[in-house]
Amino acid sequence: GEDVEQSLFLSVREGDSSVINCTYTDSSSTYLYWYKQEPGAGLQLLTYIFSNMDMKQDQRLTVLLNKKDKHLSLRIADTQTGDSAIYFCAETNTGTASKLTFGTGTRLQVTL
Amino acid sequence: NAGVTQTPKFRVLKTGQSMTLLCAQDMNHEYMYWYRQDPGMGLRLIHYSVGEGTTAKGEVPDGYNVSRLKKQNFLLGLESAAPSQTSVYFCASRSQGNAGGYTFGSGTRLTVV
Repeated sequence: GEDVEQSLFLSVREGDSSVINCTYTDSSSTYLYWYKQEPGAGLQLLTYIFSNMDMKQDQRLTVLLNKKDKHLSLRIADTQTGDSAIYFCAETNTGTASKLTFGTGTRLQVTL
Repeated sequence: NAGVTQTPKFRVLKTGQSMTLLCAQDMNHEYMYWYRQDPGMGLRLIHYSVGEGTTAKGEVPDGYNVSRLKKQNFLLGLESAAPSQTSVYFCASRSQGNAGGYTFGSGTRLTVV
């Protein structure tokens, strides 16, 4: 079945850039997503990218997709303490009732 | 406000008890999903539905049943709760053809003792 992998933890200093990485195995993935989860809260969609794109930028967020290597990254510029959260990568394709397959999540810790 | 509402938000069950988690959406979405979240494992799909009256198994369906008698509601049942079902449960919905349109509920924290 589909598999999505992420590293579990990332620590950055406030003001630096954060890069969270994700790899996936499903070659028929059509959409890839980044979700943010703050403690005790639900999932907030940050951004998503269609598989025929290689980059998407939205304010401080930049998503890069390397379809050949099945690698997705999320860059957060000028990281703030409010960015501390768990970040989930997820993928879906049109052939599976649009089911989202999630990675394990990366906990981002922002230090002063 | 439009969205996905989950009830209850918290529950403690004894082993062997049964309960039903309710997910309600008012966005007329066709697709609905139940996920469980466990530390270090991300979210795993339990069951899903592509329309009223239809359900299908996800990645981890054992010990759970679901029903979608009305389009707006998706119920998740635990017939005989086990400690391994201690988790946070999330419901989500999506309209057909809207790739970015997944809406998640705020979660139900279930503890089985």
